[in-house]
Amino acid sequence: GENVEQHPSTLSVQEGDSAVIKCTYSDSASNYFPWYKQELGKRPQLIIDIRSNVGEKKDQRIAVTLNKTAKHFSLHITETQPEDSAVYFCAPREGGADGLTFGKGTHLIIQP
Amino acid sequence: DTAVSQTPKYLVTQMGNDKSIKCEQNLGHDTMYWYKQDSKKFLKIMFSYNNKELIINETVPNRFSPKSPDKAHLNLHINSLELGDSAVYFCASSMAGLYRGYTFGSGTRLTVV
Repeated sequence: GENVEQHPSTLSVQEGDSAVIKCTYSDSASNYFPWYKQELGKRPQLIIDIRSNVGEKKDQRIAVTLNKTAKHFSLHITETQPEDSAVYFCAPREGGADGLTFGKGTHLIIQP
Repeated sequence: DTAVSQTPKYLVTQMGNDKSIKCEQNLGHDTMYWYKQDSKKFLKIMFSYNNKELIINETVPNRFSPKSPDKAHLNLHINSLELGDSAVYFCASSMAGLYRGYTFGSGTRLTVV
């Protein structure tokens, strides 16, 4: 099964600064790499994803980069805002497989 | 209009009781899941159902039983509740085999006293 690690477990940044969260996985067959955001008391929601044939994807202030050789991918958030405060989860998987294995989450705190 | 809906949102019950959580999705997805999120926020898969077949059953006690009357519903029944069952339970759905994310329900916070 997939072994997923996320770092850091907690990240505190000043509002307006950038944040980067890294996810390392073990299964070389993984080819789909999503990131989920869970605000306090809410459900996890998909915010961005990437496939293995793409090295980077950007959506406004968020981006995901993939290093398939090293088996890690990262979430980048620029110009952080208070509403970015949440727990972020990565969940790499082989595209045809069922059942996401989530990382343990990164608690992002945006300091005013 | 909710895509994945769960009921109830909160459930407080005594040890030893039997309870059910219901989940329905109107997205036309063919696979549904149950996840457990503990107090440390770890999300762990419990079950998934694809076309009424159980295709994943991680090491979950047999006190937990998923029931799917059709592909739009996946209910979770729990027998003989224990203190350690206290958690938030999320239902989710997706299309199997495609590079798409999951859509989660709003969660059910179960507290066993």
